[in-house]
Amino acid sequence: EDKVVQSPLSLVVHEGDTVTLNCSYEVTNFRSLLWYKQEKKAPTFLFMLTSSGIEKKSGRLSSILDKKELFSILNITATQTGDSAVYLCAGDTNAGKSTFGDGTTLTVKP
Amino acid sequence: DADVTQTPRNRITKTGKRIMLECSQTKGHDRMYWYRQDPGLGLRLIYYSFDVKDINKGEISDGYSVSRQAQAKFSLSLESAIPNQTALYFCATSQGGLYEQYFGPGTRLTVT
Repeated sequence: EDKVVQSPLSLVVHEGDTVTLNCSYEVTNFRSLLWYKQEKKAPTFLFMLTSSGIEKKSGRLSSILDKKELFSILNITATQTGDSAVYLCAGDTNAGKSTFGDGTTLTVKP
Repeated sequence: DADVTQTPRNRITKTGKRIMLECSQTKGHDRMYWYRQDPGLGLRLIYYSFDVKDINKGEISDGYSVSRQAQAKFSLSLESAIPNQTALYFCATSQGGLYEQYFGPGTRLTVT
C-alpha cells in the first residue's frame, strides 16, 4: 500500500521566519512528487518534482526531491501571514493516481 | 467561471438516504477523480476515471459508486448514506500525461 507521511503536522511561526516542511513517501511505480497549498477550501498546485536534486523555485517557496532517500522538502523563506495554509504533498504513480499525506498546517503570526 | 464546479456545495442528509454529488469541468481534461477529506487528514481517493469508459476504484470505494456521463461530468453517489461518510468531498481533474490535478471547490456533506 502506498504511503506518504508529512511532518510536522502543524507549525506556528512568526512573520519573517523560514520554515521547512517534510514529506517522505513509499509509492510503488513512483512518477513524481507534488506539493499543494490548501487555504480555505480547494488545494492548489505548487510544485511537481520528478528528478532528484533539482530545486524548483517560485518566489519565496522552493522544493527539492531526494529519490534515493524517498523524501522531499518544501522551504518557505521570509514567511508572511498569507502563507498560512495546509500544505499537502502527494506521490504520483505511473498509473496516474496520487496518494496524499495528511498535510502540515502552517500558521504564520504577525 | 470556475473550471471545475461541484454541486451541491453543502448538503445535510439523513442516514439511509441516497445522495448524488456532481462534478463538471470545462478544462477539457480526460481524467477525473473523487476524494474525501476528513478533519486533520489529507485527501483519500474514492474513485477515478481516465476516460468515459474507464472507471477505477480508489483506496476507499466501499459505500460509494460513480458515473462518468461525459468527458466533462463525473458524479459520485452514496447509495445509503451513513454518518461516517460525513466529510468534505473534492472532485479533481488532470490531463493525461501531465501531473498536477485541478480541484473543485468541494462539497461539505453531513449525514445525520
